[in-house]
Amino acid sequence: AQTVTQSQPEMSVQEAETVTLSCTYDTSENNYYLFWYKQPPSRQMILVIRQEAYKQQNATENRFSVNFQKAAKSFSLKISDSQLGDTAMYFCAFMKDFGNEKLTFGTGTRLTIIP
Amino acid sequence: DADVTQTPRNRITKTGKRIMLECSQTKGHDRMYWYRQDPGLGLRLIYYSFDVKDINKGEISDGYSVSRQAQAKFSLSLESAIPNQTALYFCATSETNPYEQYFGPGTRLTVT
Repeated sequence: AQTVTQSQPEMSVQEAETVTLSCTYDTSENNYYLFWYKQPPSRQMILVIRQEAYKQQNATENRFSVNFQKAAKSFSLKISDSQLGDTAMYFCAFMKDFGNEKLTFGTGTRLTIIP
Repeated sequence: DADVTQTPRNRITKTGKRIMLECSQTKGHDRMYWYRQDPGLGLRLIYYSFDVKDINKGEISDGYSVSRQAQAKFSLSLESAIPNQTALYFCATSETNPYEQYFGPGTRLTVT
């Protein structure tokens, strides 16, 4: 079974600074997807960014980017120019393979942006 | 209007009661999922369905059942609720590619 580990239960950073959230996973699969989801206080789950394992290029979405290290099984999320609206729980998630789209989630990192 | 809706949004019930949580979607996706979120544990998969005739157990299906009434509707039932089923429940849908899951707003269930 796949496991996803987020070793930072809580983090805080000053507004406008850069913060990196870590995620590691364990799998024997070669093809898979990785995701970061954001859960603000409204509790809605919002997809932030996704990465296909077969792509070497790191995914980027505006201020959000990932550092995907396949050999190390590491998938960190970098938030640049952090904003108050980035305050949320962040979950890393793993999806095994095509046609088997079940997500395995990490336990989450609570991020607080300080004004 | 929201693409994935869940009813009720909040519910308090007593131990031993039967309760149904409902999920509807207008995204036209075949795949639907039920997750449970507990503090410190993240989200865990309860049941999933890849089409109307396909129902599968997830990692924590004991004490739960589901019904896929139509492509757009997927219901989760607790036949006899117990306090450790107190949690936040999410429904989600996905298409086959690019495999992103879209979540409903969640149902906060409290079993007293």
